[in-house]
Amino acid sequence: GAGVSQSPRYKVAKRGQDVALRCDPISGHVSLFWYQQALGQGPEFLTYFQNEAQLDKSGLPSDRFFAERPEGSVSTLKIQRTQQEDSAVYLCASSLEGGFMNTEAFFGQGTRLTVV
Amino acid sequence: AQSVTQLDSQVPVFEEAPVELRCNYSSSVSVYLFWYVQYPNQGLQLLLKYLSGSTLVKGINGFEAEFNKSQTSFHLRKPSVHISDTAEYFCAVSPPYNQGGKLIFGQGTELSVKP
Repeated sequence: GAGVSQSPRYKVAKRGQDVALRCDPISGHVSLFWYQQALGQGPEFLTYFQNEAQLDKSGLPSDRFFAERPEGSVSTLKIQRTQQEDSAVYLCASSLEGGFMNTEAFFGQGTRLTVV
Repeated sequence: AQSVTQLDSQVPVFEEAPVELRCNYSSSVSVYLFWYVQYPNQGLQLLLKYLSGSTLVKGINGFEAEFNKSQTSFHLRKPSVHISDTAEYFCAVSPPYNQGGKLIFGQGTELSVKP
């Protein structure tokens, strides 16, 4: 595709509901990143994949958060038993290889999650 | 641990005026430094980055930033802004020894360019 595509763009979930957020990276991009951006804040790192390998998941805030990229392309971020503090924009980015200092990472428009 | 402080949450400026967006970082080791821009309803876009070498870095859209190690700063500048520069700007750092996926962002500076 032309860029990183995230779906849905907007998601409203009732507290306690499970949600799944999808990221379609740019075709051929090896690296994929997830970030969480709360209202009025800068993005915060969640997790990083290189192909299907999850190299760093140190930013996932709790065991309710789970990310996968089984075939090294599309990635899904799953949040179980959502809570109000999970309300944020979830950003996905991809790059051709390596981390942010190697090649430019391109960000999607994000999924805005509102937990009510 | 690293941290980033963007000293101004909002910067209003008139069109064609110069602008400086301030960024200070805290780190006990050398870091890589980045500036990103986020236009309304769009994803983050890389403006410029400093990895090594010349401390003056030129980016897209006429922006530049200067790395000052002694002051631990990486301020973003543009000599003459346009209405289209209205956006949120984020400074970020990355330690060189990590696997490269973790950027630490500041809280952002909202640049508002008025006619």
